[in-house]
Amino acid sequence: ELKVEQNPLFLSMQEGKNYTIYCNYSTTSDRLYWYRQDPGKSLESLFVLLSNGAVKQEGRLMASLDTKARLSTLHITAAVHDLSATYFCAFSDSGYALNFGKGTSLLVTP
Amino acid sequence: DAGITQSPRYKITETGRQVTLMCHQTWSHSYMFWYRQDLGHGLRLIYYSAAADITDKGEVPDGYVVSRSKTENFPLTLESATRSQTSVYFCASSVGRNTIYFGEGSWLTVV
Repeated sequence: ELKVEQNPLFLSMQEGKNYTIYCNYSTTSDRLYWYRQDPGKSLESLFVLLSNGAVKQEGRLMASLDTKARLSTLHITAAVHDLSATYFCAFSDSGYALNFGKGTSLLVTP
Repeated sequence: DAGITQSPRYKITETGRQVTLMCHQTWSHSYMFWYRQDLGHGLRLIYYSAAADITDKGEVPDGYVVSRSKTENFPLTLESATRSQTSVYFCASSVGRNTIYFGEGSWLTVV
């Protein structure tokens, strides 16, 4: 069974703080995706991680992939209110369809 | 560049009625997908298509029918809508595996 587990599912953090969202997936995957979704909106692609040890950064977000541990992380540095959203990780085992986690709802408060 | 568009964006229908959600993409992407999003479940794949006239089931296909006679269109039909099909439906497309583009979503309520 293809499973993706994200944790935490809900996260409230203060502005300026750091935090990490974890994504475990159940089977061999050659790529891992992170998406952002604002309330009532579509999904926006953040990162695609293609190999073991891959690290990508965009602004205050940094994603990494450990294929041996079947683990990806999304690290938030010095959070700001604009980062409040729901973050999804997804993996593709070999084909084109993605298997999504349940999402992490992030709220950044002053 | 219109990208990927879904219609209708919002729909209320009655139990037992047939409903079709439309998806149109302007990029000529070969792959198209239908996902449903429900609170507590994330996104779940309903059906996908690798090319015109080629479709395959995803994780939750029961109660849905798809067709793809043209590359740019991928309609999703609920043959006899049930309350459990109340959801937000996202269409997506891709040409390679690195980026999948999502539509704006169709909010469907079955009463």
